[in-house]
Amino acid sequence: SQTIHQWPATLVQPVGSPLSLECTVEGTSNPNLYWYRQAAGRGLQLLFYSVGIGQISSEVPQNLSASRPQDRQFILSSKKLLLSDSGFYLCAWSSRVGSNQPQHFGDGTRLSIL
Amino acid sequence: AQSVTQLDSQVPVFEEAPVELRCNYSSSVSVYLFWYVQYPNQGLQLLLKYLSGSTLVKGINGFEAEFNKSQTSFHLRKPSVHISDTAEYFCAVMGGSQGNLIFGKGTKLSVKP
Repeated sequence: SQTIHQWPATLVQPVGSPLSLECTVEGTSNPNLYWYRQAAGRGLQLLFYSVGIGQISSEVPQNLSASRPQDRQFILSSKKLLLSDSGFYLCAWSSRVGSNQPQHFGDGTRLSIL
Repeated sequence: AQSVTQLDSQVPVFEEAPVELRCNYSSSVSVYLFWYVQYPNQGLQLLLKYLSGSTLVKGINGFEAEFNKSQTSFHLRKPSVHISDTAEYFCAVMGGSQGNLIFGKGTKLSVKP
């Protein structure tokens, strides 16, 4: 069966520090991968998605970047964190087999910026 | 462009009572709809999905939803809720060429004893 892992579960970082959040998927090949941010009262915002290694699409301009160095690895990064980067970050995957496949989410990383 | 509106940000209900969480969508293309549940400090879990076929969709944990094209709605229902159903529920429509989901802002269901 397929599983998705995110780490760390929680993170407290000072303003201006770098960030690296990692997400890996097991049990499937060539998935679509997604990064979302969930801020209080604002629902889920799609940040990045990827259809393959090295292929990243950004949905909103921001202080963050994403990379996909391996088929089942998706990394969210920042060189300098802002207070507004605080939130709950969720990674998700969906199968590229068939169409209109649902997305499956990891347990998220809660990021607090001080 | 697709969009999703969840009209109720919070729904309090007593245990064993029925509940309906409302979701309206806007879409100019074929409609694929989903409901997800999020328990505190966890990711989202798929409850059910509508892709085609029967308009009444049954999901996990006793939930069901009905796709109504004329009213552009996809309301989530459960005939008798439990304390353990306390969570936030998100309605989503699939949009974009890469299967991106567009989410509503969520409805917090609070089940009281």
